[in-house]
Amino acid sequence: QKEVEQDPGPLSVPEGAIVSLNCTYSNSAFQYFMWYRQYSRKGPELLMYTYSSGNKEDGRFTAQVDKSSKYISLFIRDSQPSDSATYLCATKPGEYGNKLVFGAGTILRVKS
Amino acid sequence: DTGVSQDPRHKITKRGQNVTFRCDPISEHNRLYWYRQTLGQGPEFLTYFQNEAQLEKSRLLSDRFSAERPKGSFSTLEIQRTEQGDSAMYLCASSPRSGTSGNTIYFGEGSWLTVV
Repeated sequence: QKEVEQDPGPLSVPEGAIVSLNCTYSNSAFQYFMWYRQYSRKGPELLMYTYSSGNKEDGRFTAQVDKSSKYISLFIRDSQPSDSATYLCATKPGEYGNKLVFGAGTILRVKS
Repeated sequence: DTGVSQDPRHKITKRGQNVTFRCDPISEHNRLYWYRQTLGQGPEFLTYFQNEAQLEKSRLLSDRFSAERPKGSFSTLEIQRTEQGDSAMYLCASSPRSGTSGNTIYFGEGSWLTVV
């Protein structure tokens, strides 16, 4: 079993829809959670990071962590065709942990 | 552009040849990481430097792989006697010194390696 599980999709939605992307993880030691966006043949771009449980909002993006169920989510409001990319969740144990553990990524397609 | 810079972006090499990738981190970031990513997978950790010291290596980093970070600035990743299984994107990342900002790990655009 992988430490971080993520549905690969693809997830196809119409422009303007609310998108929900999710990951589950198995290691209770994970405390920091990140979401990266990756366009085709490009490097991952950091969107957001959160610590422990709770919500964090940044523009159209909201990251949510539920440590009790080991579940992390990224919501995208008013989705745009430019949001079409692969979204990677990542996590690491503690503030000084050095190794990010990634999910396999979910492919998102926003249709205009 | 002050982001993480990687060179070359693409490399095609014959099996058995050696290749070297270079990474220039964001200036003043003292932490530098190498990851490998294959199609349909998330990046996998290879190794980590704090300044010039290589502090952690993954079991993925076989004896044919070596990474250096002389003077704690740029880093190189060398693969000797390349195999077809080495074909992947090699990603470099960097992060600031410490504190919560140490969680902001920024990636470069990657170096694509194809071994034929």
